[in-house]
Amino acid sequence: TQLLEQSPQFLSIQEGENLTVYCNSSSVFSSLQWYRQEPGEGPVLLVTVVTGGEVKKLKRLTFQFGDARKDSSLHITAAQPGDTGLYLCAGVADSNYQLIWGAGTKLIIKP
Amino acid sequence: DVKVTQSSRYLVKRTGEKVFLECVQDMDHENMFWYRQDPGLGLRLIYFSYDVKMKEKGDIPEGYSVSREKKERFSLILESASTNQTSMYLCASSLSRLGTEAFFGQGTRLTVV
Repeated sequence: TQLLEQSPQFLSIQEGENLTVYCNSSSVFSSLQWYRQEPGEGPVLLVTVVTGGEVKKLKRLTFQFGDARKDSSLHITAAQPGDTGLYLCAGVADSNYQLIWGAGTKLIIKP
Repeated sequence: DVKVTQSSRYLVKRTGEKVFLECVQDMDHENMFWYRQDPGLGLRLIYFSYDVKMKEKGDIPEGYSVSREKKERFSLILESASTNQTSMYLCASSLSRLGTEAFFGQGTRLTVV
């Protein structure tokens, strides 16, 4: 069974600080997706990383896929209150293409 | 704009009731999914469907069933609701089997009393 461990589970920081969220597994994924979920809504896709070592940027958010395609990170620079939400990673299993979900990181950015 | 619509945002049901959660997508997607979301546990897959009238069990199917009579509609049924089924239920759809983007509904927060 493929598992995806996400850390930290909870993070509360001041506006302007930087942060990194991690997704780690012992299994290889064909790709990895990052979603953000706001209270009372469903998750919305932010980015998909496909190639080992790939880096994608979305304004102040930087996503990286590990070289071995077993892990990924999300780095936010100069966090803003609008970044508050639940961040979820989901790996696409090599064997059957199903999504394997991390437990999520609840991020709160205080003004 | 793509859309997945769940029939209710909030539901309160009594223990033992039969509960129907409805989900409709307007994107002509093949795949539809039902998840439950609980704090600290992430999204857990209950059932999914790759085609009309097809269904497959996910990780936690016990106590649930599903129906997909039309491509755009996927229903989750709680045969006899129990308090441990109190949760947020999320419906999603995706274009193909190949791990493509999942589009989610707004969720149904179900409370069983």
